Amino acid sequence: EVQLEESGGGVVRPGGSLRLSCAASGFTFEEYGMSWVRQAPGRGLEWVSGISKYGGGGGYLDSVKGRFTISRDNAKKSLYLQMNIVRAEDTALYYCARWHRNTFDFWGQGTLVTVSS
Amino acid sequence: DIQLTQSPSSLSASVGDRVTIACRASDTINDYLNWYQYTPGRAPKLLIFAASNLQGGVPSRFSGSGSGTDFALTISGLQPEDFATYYCQQSLSVPWTFGQGTKVEIK
Repeated sequence: EVQLEESGGGVVRPGGSLRLSCAASGFTFEEYGMSWVRQAPGRGLEWVSGISKYGGGGGYLDSVKGRFTISRDNAKKSLYLQMNIVRAEDTALYYCARWHRNTFDFWGQGTLVTVSS
Repeated sequence: DIQLTQSPSSLSASVGDRVTIACRASDTINDYLNWYQYTPGRAPKLLIFAASNLQGGVPSRFSGSGSGTDFALTISGLQPEDFATYYCQQSLSVPWTFGQGTKVEIK
């Protein structure tokens, strides 16, 4: 069974940093691209960043470019999102999702990030 | 960026009803269109991929149609577990974008 479990969310001050993690199991992690998708309170889903199965070619939403960095460790079957210089508008539930055949075919339950002073 | 506009934003329906949700893209995306179901507290779920293909394990009452810029998700015979929010998503070009969502509520 495919499982994705996010962690690392919490309350962070504007301008601060946070690192999200996603632990994968139930599939061959290194064979799939992965992404982070978020949902801000009262808003819809928004793709944040994605990374290829090899760890290269990461793409980013314009509003997080230069502040967020996606990475992965295939040996640990883990995906990461380093969030720096966070803003109030980064407050959201952050989901880890597997990218397969041009779809997000499996998702985690999410980890909540709250940016507040 | 490709924008996706869903309509309606919300709808009220009864168990057994047939409902249709529309999704319009700001530029042609061929059939690079997926549909997801979202229920608070649960992981989002892929329902339809490539506009009209049913994801494995998804009930056949869900169907998708369309190509180019206009797409639709139809639920034939709404069940209690179908009351949720539905999102379309384009997979033609980065940034991958979603529609704003359609909330299906119980009448």
